[in-house]
Amino acid sequence: EAGVTQFPSHSVIEKGQTVTLRCDPISGHDNLYWYRRVMGKEIKFLLHFVKESKQDESGMPNNRFLAERTGGTYSTLKVRPAELEDSGVYFCASSFRRGHLNEQFFGPGTRLTVL
Amino acid sequence: AQSVAQPEDQVNVAEGNPLTVKCTYSVSGNPYLFWYVQYPNRGLQFLLKYITGDNLVKGSYGFEAEFNKSQTSFHLKKPSALVSDSALYFCAVRERAGKSTFGDGTTLTVKP
Repeated sequence: EAGVTQFPSHSVIEKGQTVTLRCDPISGHDNLYWYRRVMGKEIKFLLHFVKESKQDESGMPNNRFLAERTGGTYSTLKVRPAELEDSGVYFCASSFRRGHLNEQFFGPGTRLTVL
Repeated sequence: AQSVAQPEDQVNVAEGNPLTVKCTYSVSGNPYLFWYVQYPNRGLQFLLKYITGDNLVKGSYGFEAEFNKSQTSFHLKKPSALVSDSALYFCAVRERAGKSTFGDGTTLTVKP
């Protein structure tokens, strides 16, 4: 069974440009989470989808970030326009059910560098 | 708000020696605690979790963690370290809805 996949693995863009990150969860997983690790610090929660609905987007840093999950399958995270402080590793995770008891499977991450 | 602290950025041990990676937490209700490992160019891999029950939790690759409620700690341990255990380790606390709060991570280096 394929795990969580993320594309691209690396992205280098200039300040002011737009970047779109993609996450494909494990098939059948309704719950999809986005996290990011900036400046080698802690991994921070960004948002949580249940199917195509945003369950919790309290971690989204500002309106330059837009996440979508049309159809409840893969998700995209768009940053527009990108700023230097957006550099970091963006992780996606999925789980079958919501809640603290259910294992979240993480993707390998997308390393974003904004120059 | 919940929080996690990993006080050590780096832990260095010799192969064959016991290892400990420290984690303390702060939550308002019952703690749901997790350890993950990240190898280079790989995603986070689940190691073990504490939800309820025995304070000593056993996980993957010979790792275990001890939940200590009075000290609000959940330290990761292994009796005999391997060079292949060298990686980045994250402690996390999870809310009931599934949102996780992570520590800064600890880089473990096991030298032959």
